[in-house]
Amino acid sequence: AAGVIQSPRHLIKEKRETATLKCYPIPRHDTVYWYQQGPGQDPQFLISFYEKMQSDKGSIPDRFSAQQFSDYHSELNMSSLELGDSALYFCASSLERSGANVLTFGAGSRLTVL
Amino acid sequence: AQSVTQLDSQVPVFEEAPVELRCNYSSSVSVYLFWYVQYPNQGLQLLLKYLSGSTLVESINGFEAEFNKSQTSFHLRKPSVHISDTAEYFCAVSNTGKLIFGQGTTLQVKP
Repeated sequence: AAGVIQSPRHLIKEKRETATLKCYPIPRHDTVYWYQQGPGQDPQFLISFYEKMQSDKGSIPDRFSAQQFSDYHSELNMSSLELGDSALYFCASSLERSGANVLTFGAGSRLTVL
Repeated sequence: AQSVTQLDSQVPVFEEAPVELRCNYSSSVSVYLFWYVQYPNQGLQLLLKYLSGSTLVESINGFEAEFNKSQTSFHLRKPSVHISDTAEYFCAVSNTGKLIFGQGTTLQVKP
């Protein structure tokens, strides 16, 4: 079965640079979620999209932005990178914006800021 | 707002011993409850979920969890663990789609 695809899997950037992470949800899934997991921490919700519109917003810094495109893939753009942005970024997708639907997570994109 | 508390940050246990990973949640509305497992350097995989119906839910690899509304708990149990169960386990709650995770419990199974 198709899973959630994230790219790149690993990314190394310098401080103040920009990074873009991509997420391809499971086919027919209409909701995408982004999470940030710092070292030794639990995943923190950043933002979600339902049918290409932002549906919920969590602890996402103003330096970050995201969008969902017509083909339902999503991109997380991070600018003016800081050392503290080093983390594992997960994308998850689900069908319909409901707690009864299970989120399927991708393998994550590991961002290292030097 | 919802929140999740996992009472143990680390649980060391010997192989073939039983284990319980504790999870308590706080919410003013009805919620759905989940356990996710994260193996080293991997993503989050759904272990089991409680949506409605029977309060005891089971996974295919021998884990089970029981939803206790009066105690607002969703503890995870396994009667006999294997080395391969060594991983980080996250309890999570949801009622609006997004998941709110607990702090995680590291299960370390020793031979």
